[in-house]
Amino acid sequence: AQSVAQPEDQVNVAEGNPLTVKCTYSVSGNPYLFWYVQYPNRGLQFLLKYITGDNLVKGSYGFEAEFNKSQTSFHLKKPSALVSDSALYFCAVRDGGNNRLAFGKGNQVVVIP
Amino acid sequence: NAGVTQTPKFQVLKTGQSMTLQCAQDMNHEYMSWYRQDPGMGLRLIHYSVGAGITDQGEVPNGYNVSRSTTEDFPLRLLSAAPSQTSVYFCASSRQVNQPQHFGDGTRLSIL
Repeated sequence: AQSVAQPEDQVNVAEGNPLTVKCTYSVSGNPYLFWYVQYPNRGLQFLLKYITGDNLVKGSYGFEAEFNKSQTSFHLKKPSALVSDSALYFCAVRDGGNNRLAFGKGNQVVVIP
Repeated sequence: NAGVTQTPKFQVLKTGQSMTLQCAQDMNHEYMSWYRQDPGMGLRLIHYSVGAGITDQGEVPNGYNVSRSTTEDFPLRLLSAAPSQTSVYFCASSRQVNQPQHFGDGTRLSIL
């Protein structure tokens, strides 16, 4: 079964500084990877995905993520964080052999003005 | 375009009661799923469906039933509510499992 680890509960970053949210995964087949963001009292919103192709994936709101097969990682990055980026971020993975999506526990990002 | 609509938004139940959480989407998506979100646990998959008439279990299916009689609707039934089922429930849909999922705004369920 596939699984996702998001090792940090909370990430604090100053506004304007680079933001990184870490994600590692475990699958038996080819991974399909996703990042979602959740604002308070709302459902999750899609940010970006990796299916195949370039290891650097660009997504919504200036976010990007780098797929690293050897390290089984898919870290989310943003060059310059905004206060409005403060939210809960989820990494998710699908094992190519099934129709299930597994989510990590989520990372709370706090951008300090 | 309403997207994914979940009803009700809030519900309080007593232990042993049953209820159905409704989920409807108007995007003609084949793939639909139900998750529960608990503090420190992330989202856990309860049940999913790859099309009308086809459902399968996720990570935490016990105590829940689903059916998919139409493409648009995917209701989640709690058979006999237990306090451990207190959670926020999210329904999501996508064209297929590899496509971005669209989430509803959730149902906040408390079981006393």
